[in-house]
Amino acid sequence: AQSVTQLGSHVSVSEGALVLLRCNYSSSVPPYLFWYVQYPNQGLQLLLKYTSAATLVKGINDFEAEFKKSETSFHLTKPSAHMSDAAEYFCAVRGSGGYQKVTFGTGTKLQVIP
Amino acid sequence: DADVTQTPRNRITKTGKRIMLECSQTKGHDRMYWYRQDPGLGLRLIYYSFDVKDINKGEISDGYSVSRQAQAKFSLSLESAIPNQTALYFCATSDSSGREQYFGPGTRLTVT
Repeated sequence: AQSVTQLGSHVSVSEGALVLLRCNYSSSVPPYLFWYVQYPNQGLQLLLKYTSAATLVKGINDFEAEFKKSETSFHLTKPSAHMSDAAEYFCAVRGSGGYQKVTFGTGTKLQVIP
Repeated sequence: DADVTQTPRNRITKTGKRIMLECSQTKGHDRMYWYRQDPGLGLRLIYYSFDVKDINKGEISDGYSVSRQAQAKFSLSLESAIPNQTALYFCATSDSSGREQYFGPGTRLTVT
């Protein structure tokens, strides 16, 4: 069984401030982990993914996430928020063997305050 | 042109009506998926297909059916729509590794 918990359904940051979106996972097998972003009226777009290579993963638009096995976490960060980062962000987990379905978190809406 | 397209983008229908949502992809992927998104619940898997002859139920398949007409086409049907099927529906594709999914723009369905 696998699951994802995103802490905080809404997060507000000031423009230029650090963005930190939290994700904790559980998985009975080594996981693949993903962050997706959904802009208003659009589908989901992959930001970054962890697939058992480097634990610090860099994605698009200066986002990055660090896989911490001991903490079962995969938090998403960005050093400086832009207005264009306002969107909903989804963490997702998938087992690494054979066919494994993807389980999505419930999402975190990021508001950027000018 | 978009790699994954969905039609219609918006649909309002009445309780009891049959409705079909269509998905097409040009990525050449074997695997296709249907999800629904509800506020505060994230995305939940309805059906998935590994190829034309391999279709599987997801976690919330009751009230839905699918058809994989070709590698590039995967349709979702609501045989008799009910109001709690009001949601945003997404189609997605992936290659055989399944490591990354590519999403369509979504269909917003309202059942009155």
